[in-house]
Amino acid sequence: KAGVTQTPRYLIKTRGQQVTLSCSPISGHRSVSWYQQTPGQGLQFLFEYFSETQRNKGNFPGRFSGRQFSNSRSEMNVSTLELGDSALYLCASSSGLASPYEQYFGPGTRLTVT
Amino acid sequence: GNSVTQMEGPVTLSEEAFLTINCTYTATGYPSLFWYVQYPGEGLQLLLKATKADDKGSNKGFEATYRKETTSFHLEKGSVQVSDSAVYFCALGGTGGFKTIFGAGTRLFVKA
Repeated sequence: KAGVTQTPRYLIKTRGQQVTLSCSPISGHRSVSWYQQTPGQGLQFLFEYFSETQRNKGNFPGRFSGRQFSNSRSEMNVSTLELGDSALYLCASSSGLASPYEQYFGPGTRLTVT
Repeated sequence: GNSVTQMEGPVTLSEEAFLTINCTYTATGYPSLFWYVQYPGEGLQLLLKATKADDKGSNKGFEATYRKETTSFHLEKGSVQVSDSAVYFCALGGTGGFKTIFGAGTRLFVKA
């Protein structure tokens, strides 16, 4: 089985711009979760999509949004970028159904905001 | 609410030393427990898991036992290698809402 893929792997943007990140889950998985990882804040949950619906949401401002398509691929969008948005963005896929809820992570997208 | 607390790092060990990384949790119901590992420049990988009390998860020489009485899931390895240098995350899942709760991560350095 192919793993979770994320594109692009690296991105440099300027403050005020917007960015879209993409995640393709493992085939057959219907849940995609997004996380922001920074040295200061650690791993923080952004949101989770299951069958095209946002099922869980973390405590991030509305500038962070996402969506999921019918083939389970997901995109995450950040508008009006700030310097503090520089981070590694990880997506994780899972079946989204019963126990044990294990997740499979992609390699991440490294976003640098200048 | 549900939470995971793991020991602060970094933890620095010499090769072949014994490793313990402590993890305790607070949860309602009967969560599943996980250890994930993140090598430099990569995403997280599932290292091992346990789905019920007294279960022992094991993989690549690492072990952790789900202790409900002490709400703990400590990670152990009898003899670490330089290649084990990474960040280790304890996590809790299946407590409702299909969310995974991660600990802050513990960085391990193993010296040759």
